Amino acid sequence: GQQVMQIPQYQHVQEGEDFTTYCNSSTTLSNIQWYKQRPGGHPVFLIQLVKSGEVKKQKRLTFQFGEAKKNSSLHITATQTTDVGTYFCAGLGSGGGADGLTFGKGTHLIIQP
Amino acid sequence: DAGITQSPRHKVTETGTPVTLRCHQTENHRYMYWYRQDPGHGLRLIHYSYGVKDTDKGEVSDGYSVSRSKTEDFLLTLESATSSQTSVYFCAVGQGAQGYTFGSGTRLTVV
Repeated sequence: GQQVMQIPQYQHVQEGEDFTTYCNSSTTLSNIQWYKQRPGGHPVFLIQLVKSGEVKKQKRLTFQFGEAKKNSSLHITATQTTDVGTYFCAGLGSGGGADGLTFGKGTHLIIQP
Repeated sequence: DAGITQSPRHKVTETGTPVTLRCHQTENHRYMYWYRQDPGHGLRLIHYSYGVKDTDKGEVSDGYSVSRSKTEDFLLTLESATSSQTSVYFCAVGQGAQGYTFGSGTRLTVV
C-alpha cells in the first residue's frame, strides 16, 4: 500500500529560526495536503498542492510539490511561538480513491523563546 | 469546524467492554472517516464511509466496526475494548481533494 514518510520526527528551533519538514511518498500522488495540529487540538487543513513543481505561499509558510509528485516540503521562515505544533503531510493516491488520504507521521515543531 | 461533533470527548472503560464513539456532522458530506492517533504513529485510518450504509476497512480495522445509517452520523464501535485501543480517535469529513475537516477528538482510555 501507499506509504508516506515524513522527516524529521522532531525539530527544535530557536524563535526566529527557519524550519523545514519533508515528505516522501512511495508512489506518485495526485495531490498532497498539509495539516497543522496544535498541542491538544485536532488537525487543521492548511493547503493542497496538485501540480508538479507547484509552490504556494501562506505568509511565512512555503509549500512545494516535487516534479515527480512524490515528495513535498513545508518551510516556515522566522518561526514564532504560534507555529508550535505538529505538521502532517497527507497524500492522495493517483487513483483518487474513496479511502482517502494517507498521512505521514508528522513533524513536531518545538520552539524555544 | 464544518459542524462536526464527536462524543464523548473523554471516556475511560474497562477491558472487554463494548464502546461506541459517535461522529455527527451537519454539512451533508458524503465521505466520513475514523482515524486513531498514537505517539509515533501519526494518524491511521480505521474505517471510512462513502455513503449511507457504504463502509470499508482502513489500515487498522481489526477490533473495530462501524455503521452509518444516516448521512450525518458515523459510529465507531469497539466490540471488546483492549488496552491497545487506548488512543485518541478523530472523525473527519470531506473528500480528499478538498481537504478534510476533523472533529475535536475522543480520548479513550481502556483500563
